[in-house]
Amino acid sequence: AQSVTQLDSQVPVFEEAPVELRCNYSSSVSVYLFWYVQYPNQGLQLLLKYLSGSTLVKGINGFEAEFNKSQTSFHLRKPSVHISDTAEYFCAVKGNNNDMRFGAGTRLTVKP
Amino acid sequence: DGGITQSPKYLFRKEGQNVTLSCEQNLNHDAMYWYRQDPGQGLRLIYYSQIVNDFQKGDIAEGYSVSREKKESFPLTVTSAQKNPTAFYLCASSIVVLETQYFGPGTRLLVL
Repeated sequence: AQSVTQLDSQVPVFEEAPVELRCNYSSSVSVYLFWYVQYPNQGLQLLLKYLSGSTLVKGINGFEAEFNKSQTSFHLRKPSVHISDTAEYFCAVKGNNNDMRFGAGTRLTVKP
Repeated sequence: DGGITQSPKYLFRKEGQNVTLSCEQNLNHDAMYWYRQDPGQGLRLIYYSQIVNDFQKGDIAEGYSVSREKKESFPLTVTSAQKNPTAFYLCASSIVVLETQYFGPGTRLLVL
């Protein structure tokens, strides 16, 4: 079975600064990787996904992530954050079966 | 507009009562899922269904039941056997081969 570890439960950052949210996974099979964002009292919205091909994946709202197979990581990055990026971010991994595993989440707080 | 709807937004349960959470999708997706979200724990899979009239238990199915009589609908019943039902419940759906899950806005269940 797959598992996901989000290394930081909270990340505070100032507006216009760069940010990296870290995600590591473990799996014995090939995986698909996802990042979702959740605003308060709402469902999850897909930011980006890696299924195959280029290891650098670009998503919505200026976010991108890089799949690193040797380090089993899929870190999320944004070069300049906005106040509106304040939210909870979830990394998820899916194997060849229908089993999606989510990390515990990272709360990103962007301060003015 | 295509999407996933969940109702109600807030639901209150009395002791010993069964309650049912609604999830409807008009995306023509084959697979549907129910997750439970507790603070600091990410999402945990309750049940999922890959096709009509078929569903499988997830990691925390005890105290819950589902049905899948129509492709568009996947209601979740929280039974009186679920002793700690207070949580945020999220429904999702996917076209299985594309692997990406899309989420509804969620239902918050509270116990009176």
